[in-house]
Amino acid sequence: DQQVKQNSPSLSVQEGRISILNCDYTNSMFDYFLWYKKYPAEGPTFLISISSIKDKNEDGRFTVFLNKSAKHLSLHIVPSQPGDSAVYFCALRRGADGLTFGKGTHLIIQP
Amino acid sequence: DGGITQSPKYLFRKEGQNVTLSCEQNLNHDAMYWYRQDPGQGLRLIYYSQIVNDFQKGDIAEGYSVSREKKESFPLTVTSAQKNPTAFYLCASSGDRWSYEQYFGPGTRLTVT
Repeated sequence: DQQVKQNSPSLSVQEGRISILNCDYTNSMFDYFLWYKKYPAEGPTFLISISSIKDKNEDGRFTVFLNKSAKHLSLHIVPSQPGDSAVYFCALRRGADGLTFGKGTHLIIQP
Repeated sequence: DGGITQSPKYLFRKEGQNVTLSCEQNLNHDAMYWYRQDPGQGLRLIYYSQIVNDFQKGDIAEGYSVSREKKESFPLTVTSAQKNPTAFYLCASSGDRWSYEQYFGPGTRLTVT
């Protein structure tokens, strides 16, 4: 029973364009929503987060949108840069129970 | 520099042997976590500890054991009972159990043959 789904295993975007990564969830008890970025053979690094009381949070080129009624989370990166090529995980928190991760989307930025 | 260290980066073992992966943090965090990542999979929680001398099973604890004798250290033992031990293991910490952001170490790649 997968509570958090990232349905696109990979995504290819041209440099300078917008990258949109999506995440769907089933449990409405999640209260914090995070995005992590991961390079091969390294630990994930925190990128951006949003609490359940908001619908948008922006940090430079990164914007996270939360649609609670649709149980949908998205990360927008604009403009996309070569260094953005990595695997992106959405991670959802339910109180003190820690984080539940999606399977990740491999973002490839093409020159 | 504050952070989380995991050593070694690569570890090789023969089947049937127990192996212990180390995780140390100097962030003064209360909570620590162990995850496992397999190709094409997300991070799956093995064990977590919210305070010294206390730990809880995660989603895939079978074949693993942990200890939390010191705040800074949370070693993970992969026992011979773990059926598929070859994986990338990640340790993380957070300020406390209510902190939403977790900080990750660089990971240990364990290969069992």
